[in-house]
Formats: sequence, structure tokens, C-alpha cells
Amino acid sequence: DIQMTQSPSSLSASVGDRVTLTCRASQGISNYLAWFQQKPGKAPKALIYAASSLQSGVPSKFSGSGSGTDFTLTISCLQPEDFATYYCQQYNAYPLTFGQGTKVEI
Amino acid sequence: EVQLVESGGGLVQPGGSLRLSCAASGFTFSNYWLSWVRQTPGKGLEWVANIKQDGSAKYYVDSVKGRFTISRDNAKNSLYLQMNSLRVEDTAVYYCARGNAFEIWGQGTMATVSS
Repeated sequence: DIQMTQSPSSLSASVGDRVTLTCRASQGISNYLAWFQQKPGKAPKALIYAASSLQSGVPSKFSGSGSGTDFTLTISCLQPEDFATYYCQQYNAYPLTFGQGTKVEI
Repeated sequence: EVQLVESGGGLVQPGGSLRLSCAASGFTFSNYWLSWVRQTPGKGLEWVANIKQDGSAKYYVDSVKGRFTISRDNAKNSLYLQMNSLRVEDTAVYYCARGNAFEIWGQGTMATVSS
């Protein structure tokens, strides 16, 4: 199975900050990587697919990059609604797997 | 509006069964792979199974193979997950999701396995 490791597990930030979250795959996954945002008690929301493509309706302050094993999600100008847990997920090989999440908190 | 709505969760004893359903609307259901993804309370996300557009291919995570069956009815725009021989560790919120990059999610349905 491909293991997805996210770092850090949590981070503290302030409104207006730019933050970068990291996701590493245990083996190469090309660009078959997605990012999700989840708020407490809610379903995950898709942000990014194919490592760097923005899902429809997602604001451009979210950006993704990377290929192979190392990926990043950058959120520019954090707003109160951006405080949430973020997950990466690979869909290059079965079983499809998620990272353990990065909690972005104030 | 593109929407997925799950139902069928509940409380069941270990060894019991549940059938989850996911009703889709707002898109051409038969064009997409569909998945079930679960989340244990306070924990992370785990992909459970997915099914090809015409139902000809199905994949499962090892922990549910032989116990869970994914199926779909394209005429009814519906996805299903038959869960048998349930274990305490299957307790989770179960989501249906569209595509292999999970671009659309339902709101989830809770399945609790407990004696």
C-alpha cells in the first residue's frame, strides 16, 4: 500500500498568513493527488485534483504543487473560514489512501 | 445542484448487517466511478470500495473484502454498500463520493457496531 504522510500534523497560524502543508507518498504517484478540507461535523470538501488543478468553485488562494512523491498545498491570506483539517489522497494505485491530516488552527 | 445523499446507517450488533444507499442527482450518474469512504470518530479517512461506471469492476480495501459488497443501479441513480459480518471496528461515518479524486461528497451516514 502507498502510505501518505502529511506534515505538520497541526499548525497554528493567524488571519492573513500564508501557510504551506506538505504531503509525501511512500512511492511515486505521478500527479494522482488530491487535497481536501474538512470542518468539524462536515463532509470533506474537494479543493485540488491532479496535484495542482483547482476544483470548480474553489478560490484561487488555494494552490497545489508537486509530482512523484512530494506535494504541497499552499493557502494564501488565511481567513477565519480556512481553519480546518486538510487531507491529501493518492489515486494512483489501490488501495486509495489518505494522509492523516493537518489541522490548521488559530 | 450536484448532490449525493446517503442513508441506511444505524446501530447493529457485531456480526450483523447493514445496507447503505447513496442517491445521486444533478449529474449523469452513469458517467462516473463512485466510491464509499469512511471516517471513524475523531480519526482520519479510509477509502472502502469503488465501482466502475457500468459496474464491471469493483475494488475493496483489504479489511472489508469478503464482507462488504458495492453495487450500483444506474437506472435509479443509486449506489449501495451491503455490509455483512460487521465488526466493532467498522463503526464510522460512511460517505459516498464521486470519482477517484472524490470531487463530490455526500453528507455521510453513521454506522455503529456495538453490543
